[in-house]
Amino acid sequence: AQTVTQSQPEMSVQEAETVTLSCTYDTSESDYYLFWYKQPPSRQMILVIRQEAYKQQNATENRFSVNFQKAAKSFSLKISDSQLGDAAMYFCAYIRNFGNEKLTFGTGTRLTIIP
Amino acid sequence: DARVTQTPRHKVTEMGQEVTMRCQPILGHNTVFWYRQTMMQGLELLAYFRNRAPLDDSGMPKDRFSAEMPDATLATLKIQPSEPRDSAVYFCASGPQGGLRNEQFFGPGTRLTVL
Repeated sequence: AQTVTQSQPEMSVQEAETVTLSCTYDTSESDYYLFWYKQPPSRQMILVIRQEAYKQQNATENRFSVNFQKAAKSFSLKISDSQLGDAAMYFCAYIRNFGNEKLTFGTGTRLTIIP
Repeated sequence: DARVTQTPRHKVTEMGQEVTMRCQPILGHNTVFWYRQTMMQGLELLAYFRNRAPLDDSGMPKDRFSAEMPDATLATLKIQPSEPRDSAVYFCASGPQGGLRNEQFFGPGTRLTVL
């Protein structure tokens, strides 16, 4: 079974600084997707960034980028120029490209932005 | 813009009562997912449908939970009878027909409290 591990329950960063959230996963599949979702206090799950396992190039979305290390099964999220609005729970998630379409989530990292 | 809607946003009920949660997927989306979020278990898939047919409900307690799609614009999740351990946030998500299988758009969730 696939598992997703986020070893940092909480992180904090000074506004305008850079922070990296860690995620590791375990799977026997070779074709899959990885995601980072943001959940602010409103509870809405917002997709931040996605990475296809077959793409070697790390995904980037504005201030958000990932470091995808397929062999190490590592998928970290880097937030540059942190803003107050980035404060939220961040969840790493996995889905295989064939078969069951279940998103498997990590336990989340609560990110606090210090003004 | 197109969004997944869920009703009610909050529900407080007493143990033993029936609870019905409703979801309106994004128009044109043919895949609907139900997730549950608790502090102890995190985010977990309960069930999902494609073209109104259930594809996987293995994550759902069968004795008290039921999920249906009466039509393409409505998905329901029922709990009967409800128990305090069912207290959680229930998310509905939908995915587009013909789109990337990794696209899941989440609703705002229903926070259920069973006393």
